[in-house]
Amino acid sequence: SQQGEEDPQALSIQEGENATMNCSYKTSINNLQWYRQNSGRGLVHLILIRSNEREKHSGRLRVTLDTSKKSSSLLITASRAADTASYFCATDEGGGADGLTFGKGTHLIIQP
Amino acid sequence: SQTIHQWPATLVQPVGSPLSLECTVEGTSNPNLYWYRQAAGRGLQLLFYSVGIGQISSEVPQNLSASRPQDRQFILSSKKLLLSDSGFYLCAWRALREGTEAFFGQGTRLTVV
Repeated sequence: SQQGEEDPQALSIQEGENATMNCSYKTSINNLQWYRQNSGRGLVHLILIRSNEREKHSGRLRVTLDTSKKSSSLLITASRAADTASYFCATDEGGGADGLTFGKGTHLIIQP
Repeated sequence: SQTIHQWPATLVQPVGSPLSLECTVEGTSNPNLYWYRQAAGRGLQLLFYSVGIGQISSEVPQNLSASRPQDRQFILSSKKLLLSDSGFYLCAWRALREGTEAFFGQGTRLTVV
């Protein structure tokens, strides 16, 4: 069943602007992860934030996690045309091997 | 370093024909292995996962089956494809310990005609 729900479903911005995507989930989690998918390709892991962390940075990526609101956000700063892709959040409830639960994704288009 | 191979990249099959998609992992031992399906414009649906050779857990009842004949080999099969089996199939692996990321293959675009 779907756990994470990304918002917005689609986002189009100009190159150089910041892009913010949000993810809401329903159950308690061990960690939350963000992935990127270029059209017709597999997913690539971007960043993992644990339930006891509130913010994490990796290059131009900034992820926040609010476990009280069961939500996370992914910020891409100074966007580039190459950032055009779909972005998915995935929740890991821990304690089992049954994999991550993915949202439907946000399709991000960076206009040059 | 670890790599994951999934093939074929694209496949067009007639309704009623069999299916076999293969996924192999290199550079790691005893990985958890997963098959996901992605419908157009949607998220990933977990189909099967495996924690070891011969151990398969099914998440969604359907026309598909999975097998793990070797530690780093995961196969998705069907005896008779349906139109509704069309989609983008992704294989992935994770390390056994908690709190790890998933590594995905490049996916197989299956079109059943």
